[in-house]
Order: sequence, then C-alpha cells, then structure tokens
Amino acid sequence: AQKITQTQPGMFVQEKEAVTLDCTYDTSDQSYGLFWYKQPSSGEMIFLIYQGSYDEQNATEGRYSLNFQKARKSANLVISASQLGDSAMYFCAMRDGGSYIPTFGRGTSLIVHP
Amino acid sequence: ETGVTQTPRHLVMGMTNKKSLKCEQHLGHNAMYWYKQSAKKPLELMFVYSLEERVENNSVPSRFSPECPNSSHLFLHLHTLQPEDSALYLCASSHSATGERYEQYFGPGTRLTVT
Repeated sequence: AQKITQTQPGMFVQEKEAVTLDCTYDTSDQSYGLFWYKQPSSGEMIFLIYQGSYDEQNATEGRYSLNFQKARKSANLVISASQLGDSAMYFCAMRDGGSYIPTFGRGTSLIVHP
Repeated sequence: ETGVTQTPRHLVMGMTNKKSLKCEQHLGHNAMYWYKQSAKKPLELMFVYSLEERVENNSVPSRFSPECPNSSHLFLHLHTLQPEDSALYLCASSHSATGERYEQYFGPGTRLTVT
C-alpha cells in the first residue's frame, strides 16, 4: 500500500528566501512517480514538478526543484526566491508504476511574508 | 477553451434538491476523476473513469452518482445530500497509461454548500 506523509501543516518564509517542504513516502514498488501540486486559495490544483524513481538527477522546473533521496524515501520540494504568489497549499503525491492513480499527502500550507 | 473546466463554480442546495456538477476536459486525456476536499481533511478520491468505464469507486454514498458519457465529459449527480457533503469538489483528468509520468490536470472546482 502506498503512503505519503507531509509532516509540516504550516510553513512561513520571508519573500526572496528559499523554503523546503517535506514529503516522505512508503512503497514496496521499484517503479513509481512523485508529483508536487500547488493549490492557491482559488481552489485549482496546479501541477508543479515530477520525479521518476529511476531518474538519476533531481527534477527542476524554474524556481522549483525536487530534492529526491531514494534511500530515505523522501521527495522534498524546494522553492527558491519565494514570492508572495507562492502562498498556497502544497501537495505531494505518488503513483506506483502499476497504476495511473496517485495518492496524495495531507498538504502543507505555505505563507510568504513581504 | 483549454484545460479542465467545471460548472457551476458555486452551488448552494437544500438536502432534498437534485443537482449535477459538470466537468469537461479539452486535453485529449482518457481518464477522469472526481475528488472531494473538505476543510481540515485530506483530498478524497471519489470516482475514476478510464475510457468511459468506472474503474474505482471508493465507498462513496449512493447519493453521489457519477456519469461519464465520453472521454471529455464527466458529471456528478447529487441527490438528498447531507450538510457534511459541503466541500470543494474537484475534477481532474490525465492519461491512463501506467509506467509514465502523466500528471493530473485539475479544474477550478465547485464549492458546494448543503443547507
């Protein structure tokens, strides 16, 4: 069974600073994919970044990077140079290789202060 | 129009009403999903359709009835709801191939209030 854990219910960061949002996962599958989504107060979930279990390099998309530590089963999201518009809920999700249906974590609320 | 759209964006209904939520995707995906998001609770997967066939139904009460007439449209029919059904209902779509990175694309959601 899959399990996704996001231990930080809320995080605060100063504008222009970097912030790391934690995500650990549990799976017995060798092939799986990890995703991060952003949900602003408007409600729509926005896909941010993907990491495959066989990818040797950490994924990056603009100011977002995924710190993938396979042995520790962690997939932390790093946001560099935080902006006020980054204030939102952030969800980590995982899909194993045998399914296209992901499992989501409970989310982390990020507030960026000016 | 592109992406995933949902209508209505807001809905207030009494417990005896019947209403439907509509989702439409213009991304060429073949899997569609309904999620329920309540305050202080994790995202709950309700239904999954792949190629217009229901492939997952996570013990959802029968007062919620999904319909997927084609790969671009998904409905959630609501009847005799309870106040605890008040939530944000999110529709999503994706490709349904396994072993690939296909991410989900979400609609803006329908904010449902049951009075």
